[in-house]
Amino acid sequence: GIQVEQSPPDLILQEGANSTLRCNFSDSVNNLQWFHQNPWGQLINLFYIPSGTKQNGRLSATTVATERYSLLYISSSQTTDSGVYFCANDMRFGAGTRLTVKP
Amino acid sequence: DAGVTQSPTHLIKTRGQQVTLRCSPKSGHDTVSWYQQALGQGPQFIFQYYEEEERQRGNFPDRFSGHQFPNYSSELNVNALLLGDSALYLCASSPNVGTGELFFGEGSRLTVL
Repeated sequence: GIQVEQSPPDLILQEGANSTLRCNFSDSVNNLQWFHQNPWGQLINLFYIPSGTKQNGRLSATTVATERYSLLYISSSQTTDSGVYFCANDMRFGAGTRLTVKP
Repeated sequence: DAGVTQSPTHLIKTRGQQVTLRCSPKSGHDTVSWYQQALGQGPQFIFQYYEEEERQRGNFPDRFSGHQFPNYSSELNVNALLLGDSALYLCASSPNVGTGELFFGEGSRLTVL
């Protein structure tokens, strides 16, 4: 079946640091999305990015469909960025990256 | 513009019982998908409904069934509940079957005792 692998599984940063989260896919990239899950469990849409690069404030994402991976960049991290980040492709989710930003 | 709404938000059941969860999609969306998220794991795809039919299904037993109504809202039914069915159940809607951006509701947290 379709495999979605995320790395790293856990990431601890100091406030103000930058980070890169990665998502690898075993199959073609069709409906790539990045989400942030808040402490109450809701999945917040960050990017819908089947290909190319998008930016939204301190966050940006790049998907290289031919190489079957996507990257999520977080710059100048804040404590409110803490939580679990998921990528998903064609209904399948990765296991997530748990980000902790310390003040 | 109302987003995806789910009910109930929390519920407690005992083993062997049956449960029904409900979802109303985002305005303008006609496709609904259901996910199960166990504690500490990523969401697992259960099934997707479009035009009142199940279009795709993940690796879940027949105890998990669903329905989509003419107004595009959907129900997830789970029969013969097991302790392992305790999870957050998430509903997502999208504008097109098989493609498109998913938008999630806040989920229904089920505890099976």
